[in-house]
Amino acid sequence: GAVVSQHPSRVICKSGTSVKIECRSLDFQATTMFWYRQFPKQSLMLMATSNEGSKATYEQGVEKDKFLINHASLTLSTLTVTSAHPEDSSFYICSASPGESHQYFGPGTRLTVL
Amino acid sequence: GIQVEQSPPDLILQEGANSTLRCNFSDSVNNLQWFHQNPWGQLINLFYIPSGTKQNGRLSATTVATERYSLLYISSSQTTDSGVYFCAVEGPPTGANSKLTFGKGITLSVRP
Repeated sequence: GAVVSQHPSRVICKSGTSVKIECRSLDFQATTMFWYRQFPKQSLMLMATSNEGSKATYEQGVEKDKFLINHASLTLSTLTVTSAHPEDSSFYICSASPGESHQYFGPGTRLTVL
Repeated sequence: GIQVEQSPPDLILQEGANSTLRCNFSDSVNNLQWFHQNPWGQLINLFYIPSGTKQNGRLSATTVATERYSLLYISSSQTTDSGVYFCAVEGPPTGANSKLTFGKGITLSVRP
């Protein structure tokens, strides 16, 4: 149990375009979902926390207008990278929590912006 | 915020050897998790261990919350154990959503 999926697993886009990444909890309801970014050979950095039906809480230094988060239901959260640039290229990982302290992580999405 | 330090940063083992990975944290924690990130990036949850000792096969973990550290033991290492091991902690609650702070990770290479 406790499976989290992400789609797509890999995306390559041109500079200036927007990219949407989906995160789904497949077998549980996630009251909270988290979005992380991981640059090569570095640790995971929390970008934002989202609760179903409310606005996301962004970490310091993360532009909320650039990284749009929508937690539309208890099983789906989306991250949209707007007007992507090469410096946005990274590995984006989501996690979902059913309300306990546990977080269950998705397999990640590798974004490459040309 | 809470600080998490992992050591050593890199570790090379011969297959069959044992190893100990350490995680120090700067404040009391409500949650501590150990993860293994495989070469494809997937984070695999190894242990949820805010205190005490747990074992799962060749892996075991101990957290001494009063001394603010946790240890991950790998026995009889295999090449498939290679990857990055992260310790992540959730500090004292600061609001409605508690969040995990990750250490920088320990890169383990197990050679055949």
